Amino acid sequence: QKEVEQNSGPLSVPEGAIASLNCTYSDRVSQSFFWYRQYSGKSPELIMSIYSNGDKEDGRFTAQLNKASQYVSLLIRDSQPSDSATYLCAVSAYSSASKIIFGSGTRLSIRP
Amino acid sequence: GAVVSQHPSWVICKSGTSVKIECRSLDFQATTMFWYRQFPKQSLMLMATSNEGSKATYEQGVEKDKFLINHASLTLSTLTVTSAHPEDSSFYICSARDDSGRIEQYFGPGTRLTVT
Repeated sequence: QKEVEQNSGPLSVPEGAIASLNCTYSDRVSQSFFWYRQYSGKSPELIMSIYSNGDKEDGRFTAQLNKASQYVSLLIRDSQPSDSATYLCAVSAYSSASKIIFGSGTRLSIRP
Repeated sequence: GAVVSQHPSWVICKSGTSVKIECRSLDFQATTMFWYRQFPKQSLMLMATSNEGSKATYEQGVEKDKFLINHASLTLSTLTVTSAHPEDSSFYICSARDDSGRIEQYFGPGTRLTVT
């Protein structure tokens, strides 16, 4: 079982709709969770971090964390074509305080 | 804030030569930096964790004698690909963690290496 699992997609969402990206992780004692956005040919960019159960909102982005279910999600409201990218879920590894484990990413495509 | 630079952004080298890639944290100190490699349409692969003033920690399967890492200051880590071969052609990305205590990693823009 992979440590961080994401659906590879592509996930196609119409412009203006809500895009929902999901991620599950296997290490129950993980404490820190991140969403990165990566455009084709570019390096990842941190867009959200979340540490506590519940929702965290930042502009059009909402991260949701459920530690009991070992599940973290990212909602993108009012999706724009510029949101088309690969979204990487990342989780801090308990075995080493400094290492972050990345999922393989979900490719999101916003269709006009 | 939290800007990481990499140099060069792209490099072409001949098989058998060595290439050095620099990673700098521009507006924060980073005791810990990370080096990743990414092949086309594949996920990030952590190669090694670079620690200022000590030896790097390499992931399983990564040859430490081929990928030399030096982290000589709190703002600079270098990755040297020695005796490069065409199969080393890839996108190399570094990231850095701010010493202020935040756990997030901030990525550099990456270096595209092509070995001919």
